[in-house]
Amino acid sequence: DAKTTQPTSMDCAEGRAANLPCNHSTISGNEYVYWYRQIHSQGPQYIIHGLKNNETNEMASLIITEDRKSSTLILPHATLRDTAVYYCIVSPLKGGGSNYKLTFGKGTLLTVNP
Amino acid sequence: GAVVSQHPSRVICKSGTSVKIECRSLDFQATTMFWYRQFPKQSLMLMATSNEGSKATYEQGVEKDKFLINHASLTLSTLTVTSAHPEDSSFYICSARPGQGMANEKLFFGSGTQLSVL
Repeated sequence: DAKTTQPTSMDCAEGRAANLPCNHSTISGNEYVYWYRQIHSQGPQYIIHGLKNNETNEMASLIITEDRKSSTLILPHATLRDTAVYYCIVSPLKGGGSNYKLTFGKGTLLTVNP
Repeated sequence: GAVVSQHPSRVICKSGTSVKIECRSLDFQATTMFWYRQFPKQSLMLMATSNEGSKATYEQGVEKDKFLINHASLTLSTLTVTSAHPEDSSFYICSARPGQGMANEKLFFGSGTQLSVL
């Protein structure tokens, strides 16, 4: 399975953009980049995913480098409620059985400060 | 968005007893459900994958006879921790993947169950 590397923790000022990096240098051609976050004592929440093009939704933007070896999750205007552990995960999109599963690493603890 | 309901949210039990945790997809059919365990200050660890109507696939090191998984319908999966011991105390989280034709490329997670075994 492809692995990801993320910083252990980051801080961001409220109202500013939070840019969370992720390295996935061994990503395979059929693997997507997923981002989830987990607020303390809750289940993970889906944020965004992409293959090779940049993606944007109501929560965040995902920038994937051309070689797909790294990506950045951008929260454009961080709020205190965005304080959470953010997980970057690579996984094949299609396929059933054991091919499709999300394996969580340690993630990045983002702390948004007032 | 799709909702996954997990119950109970918290359970305390005596050592040696069994505990059942339910995971329901409320507004979609889940062909695949996943069970995770999370110890304090650690990441989620995948325990098993269950497909509706078939036996669950357990990750290496997870005892299938201790953690019984049943996925009898497209909207319900249960995890039973049998003969629970204090070391089984953990945060258990389920997730569900919608079936084909409904944006099945992402997982929806339950709110988790905090199990404490005395």
